[in-house]
Amino acid sequence: AQRVTQPEKLLSVFKGAPVELKCNYSYSGSPELFWYVQYSRQRLQLLLRHISRESIKGFTADLNKGETSFHLKKPFAQEEDSAMYYCALRTGRRALTFGSGTRLQVQP
Amino acid sequence: EAGVAQSPRYKIIEKRQSVAFWCNPISGHATLYWYQQILGQGPKLLIQFQNNGVVDDSQLPKDRFSAERLKGVDSTLKIQPAKLEDSAVYLCASSPRRGEETQYFGPGTRLLVL
Repeated sequence: AQRVTQPEKLLSVFKGAPVELKCNYSYSGSPELFWYVQYSRQRLQLLLRHISRESIKGFTADLNKGETSFHLKKPFAQEEDSAMYYCALRTGRRALTFGSGTRLQVQP
Repeated sequence: EAGVAQSPRYKIIEKRQSVAFWCNPISGHATLYWYQQILGQGPKLLIQFQNNGVVDDSQLPKDRFSAERLKGVDSTLKIQPAKLEDSAVYLCASSPRRGEETQYFGPGTRLLVL
């Protein structure tokens, strides 16, 4: 069965500092990986997906199949990045399997 | 484009009572999902519909939970009877088609079972 692990419940950084939110997954095949974000009082929304290899709001994430990881990175954190971040995995055409989430706090 | 709508937003009931949640997906979206999110955890899929057919309900506690999507549009999730451990946020999401990467989430219904 697939599983997504986000080891940190809370990550606190200062504005301008680099950010790395960790995500590890367990699945023997080729999964699709996503990062979803939930800002305060807003809905859960897609941030980025590994197949797009894009940068959204300065965030990037690279799929490392050898380490089964999909860490989310940003070189310079902004206060507006404070939110709950969820890593998610999908296999085939199934629904998403989410990690437990990491709360990012960016302090001024 | 209107987003996914859910009601009610909050519900407090006593254990052994029944409760129902309603979801209206984005117009034209064929796939609809219900997730349960317990405090401190990520969302967990309960059931997935493709139009009005069930694609995956393997994690739905069928002895107490039921869901339907008549006419392939709106959906209702019911719990009967509720237990304390059912306290959670129930999220509805939709996507244009099965396998579409982007799921659009509703605001959720927060349920508290006393």
